[in-house]
Amino acid sequence: GNSVTQMEGPVTLSEEAFLTINCTYTATGYPSLFWYVQYPGEGLQLLLKATKADDKGSNKGFEATYRKETTSFHLEKGSVQVSDSAVYFCALTGANSKLTFGKGITLSVRP
Amino acid sequence: EAGVVQSPRYKIIEKKQPVAFWCNPISGHNTLYWYLQNLGQGPELLIRYENEEAVDDSQLPKDRFSAERLKGVDSTLKIQPAELGDSAVYLCASSLEGRSGTQYFGPGTRLTVL
Repeated sequence: GNSVTQMEGPVTLSEEAFLTINCTYTATGYPSLFWYVQYPGEGLQLLLKATKADDKGSNKGFEATYRKETTSFHLEKGSVQVSDSAVYFCALTGANSKLTFGKGITLSVRP
Repeated sequence: EAGVVQSPRYKIIEKKQPVAFWCNPISGHNTLYWYLQNLGQGPELLIRYENEEAVDDSQLPKDRFSAERLKGVDSTLKIQPAELGDSAVYLCASSLEGRSGTQYFGPGTRLTVL
């Protein structure tokens, strides 16, 4: 079946540091890939998505590129802010269009 | 535009009691989802509706869980009787373009079973 593996957390960074959160997946066919973010006390929000190989999703300074050859969708941001502190989930929809999530990773950004 | 609305936000009950959660999707979204999110885990799909029809309920524990979406708009998820292991966050999501559309999530209901 489909699965998503995220790097172990939590991650703590200083403001303006570079962020990479790794995500790899296993799926049949050609999945769509997503990053969702959950801010404290709020619901899951779509951060960005990519629907085919080599697509780059971007939003709020975050980027992720759909790499089919390495089955990866790593999330990056050049300069994190305190307001980026949240839980980040990588997810995919496969042939059955069911959304499968990773376990999530908590990011804390220090001033 | 209003997002997905869920109520209550928090619920504490004793085991063996019934509980119900309510969800109102984004206006015009025909597809509605209920997810279960355990602590430290990603959400897992319980059931998906296309309008008022449940088209994927394979992960719903039907011995104690039930759901309905009358008139194809808002939906109710019920647990009867609740067990200690049901303590989790129950998320509702909706999408516009059927199962291939982007899913928008509500804030969730945090259930604690004592």
